[in-house]
Parts: sequence; C-alpha cells; structure tokens
Amino acid sequence: AQSVTQPDIHITVSEGASLELRCNYSYGATPYLFWYVQSPGQGLQLLLKYFSGDTLVQGIKGFEAEFKRSQSSFNLRKPSVHWSDAAEYFCAVGDPNAGNMLTFGGGTRLMVKP
Amino acid sequence: DTEVTQTPKHLVMGMTNKKSLKCEQHMGHRAMYWYKQKAKKPPELMFVYSYEKLSINESVPSRFSPECPNSSLLNLHLHALQPEDSALYLCASSQGAAGRTSDTQYFGPGTRLTVL
Repeated sequence: AQSVTQPDIHITVSEGASLELRCNYSYGATPYLFWYVQSPGQGLQLLLKYFSGDTLVQGIKGFEAEFKRSQSSFNLRKPSVHWSDAAEYFCAVGDPNAGNMLTFGGGTRLMVKP
Repeated sequence: DTEVTQTPKHLVMGMTNKKSLKCEQHMGHRAMYWYKQKAKKPPELMFVYSYEKLSINESVPSRFSPECPNSSLLNLHLHALQPEDSALYLCASSQGAAGRTSDTQYFGPGTRLTVL
C-alpha cells in the first residue's frame, strides 16, 4: 500500500521569502501526485498535480512542484510567499491501480510572518 | 464552474438525533466521495459513489448511511452518532467513474459536525 510523509508539521516563513514544503511517498511504481491547500474551516483546493511527463509542474497561485523519482519526493515550492498563503497543505498520492483513491500525507501548517 | 456545495455549514446534534448532510455538484461529474477530517488530521475516505452506485465503503459504521439519489446529489444520513464522530465532513466529486486515474477530485467546503 502506498504512503505519504510530510516531514514538517509546521513551517513559519516571512512574507516575501521563498518556501519549500516536503513530500515523500512510498509506492511501487510512479503514482499520481497532488498538492492541495486548505484554509481554516474550508475544503481542499487543488494546487497542482503530476501524472507523467515534465517533472516540474506549475500550479495555481504561483506554486510549482518537482517530481524526483530517485528521491521519491514531490516537493512544493513558491519563490515569494504572501500572507494569504497561510494555510494547511496536503500532499496526496493516487494509486492508478486502486481506483485512484487518494492517500493524504499528514499535512504541513504554513504560517507567514509579516 | 468547479463548485461543490455542502449544506449545512455547521450542525450540532445529540446522540439520539437523526440528521442528514447534503452535497451537490452541477459539473456533470459521475463520481462522488465522502471524507471525514478530524482536527489537525488529513481527510479519511469514507464512501465512494460511481454512476450513482456505491463502489467503496471504507468499513464505515452503519450509523453513517450514504445515499446518491441522482448524479448531482449525495447525502449522508446520520443516526445515533457518538461524540467521537465530531469532525469536518467533506464531499468531493470527479469527472468520470471512480477510479479513472486522470480525474481530479474537487472538494466542497465541508460540514462541521458536533455531536453532544
């Protein structure tokens, strides 16, 4: 069974600083990879996804993520964080051999300092 | 339009009550999902409907009863819940049959349920 690890439970960055959120997965082949963002009390919004092809994926709100097969990672990056980016971020894996059911990581809470 | 709506936004119920959560989408999606999310935890899949038929039940207790009356609507009927069932209940939908691997799941804002 696949699993997803987000090593950082909390991250605090200053507004305007760069951001990298880590995601590692365990899966026998290349899974389908997603990053979702959740603001307090809200549902999840898809930031970006990777299925195949170019390993650098561009998403909404200026986010990008890079798939690295050798490291089983799919880290999320943003060059300059805005205060509105403060939220919970979830990395998720979809198993193409199991109905693409999503397995979520534990989440990383991002706080942004003024 | 990629909107999934859920009502009510908040629900407080006693352990003997019967209530229902409602989820609606008008994107023509044929797969719909219920997730449960406890505070500071990721969502956990409960049920999946594909073409209005239940395709996955993740061993959810029978006090939760899903229903898909039509392709746009998904209900979750609640009866005799326990305080530990208090959580955010999220609905999601995706375009094709559940399991079509290229389909993105779109989430609603959730219903915050408190069981007293």
